[in-house]
Amino acid sequence: SAVISQKPSRDICQRGTSLTIQCQVDSQVTMMFWYRQQPGQSLTLIATANQGSEATYESGFVIDKFPISRPNLTFSTLTVSNMSPEDSSIYLCSVEPGRQETQYFGPGTRLLVL
Amino acid sequence: SQQGEEDPQALSIQEGENATMNCSYKTSINNLQWYRQNSGRGLVHLILIRSNEREKHSGRLRVTLDTSKKSSSLLITASRAADTASYFCATDAGWWDEKLVFGKGMKLTVNP
Repeated sequence: SAVISQKPSRDICQRGTSLTIQCQVDSQVTMMFWYRQQPGQSLTLIATANQGSEATYESGFVIDKFPISRPNLTFSTLTVSNMSPEDSSIYLCSVEPGRQETQYFGPGTRLLVL
Repeated sequence: SQQGEEDPQALSIQEGENATMNCSYKTSINNLQWYRQNSGRGLVHLILIRSNEREKHSGRLRVTLDTSKKSSSLLITASRAADTASYFCATDAGWWDEKLVFGKGMKLTVNP
């Protein structure tokens, strides 16, 4: 299993600003994922962030808008850049320890953009 | 504690057969969602059913929701080997104050 923490837990931001979300895992994991859940919607995968390689972005998400860092096997950041109200979402990181086919999720970062 | 519980935990069927997965939950929800996870990949959203809906279809998928029994089922018809994956239900009781709560998942193996 894995215990995941995220910072901040929630934030209210002004449009045009950027927010960096941190994800910390209590063990070393290769595969880390970032998701977005807009109000009342399902979870959508933003990108896969494996240590030692560039993040792989899903269709509709680009690095300029959601830059990701993965400096080591226990930590990652997701930045939401030049925010607009449409970016109001819960952002979650998750990890897949080994190849167990089970993902563990962080508590999420609730972002409201005004 | 875990909200959604999938049943069965694992299912192995032959190609062409139907696969049914059940999910039970404990508290009131706004919607219930089903996801698929292929090995080594991120979760892929399959279908969302709102609390005021009873049945929903999407291609070969059929989802039912019984809020009185706090249960949902996912039916995959005419299964294919490519349907082999883990399937998760997740409940959404709110947005700002509640997080999406996932079940433990169910491993489906479709044999060619």
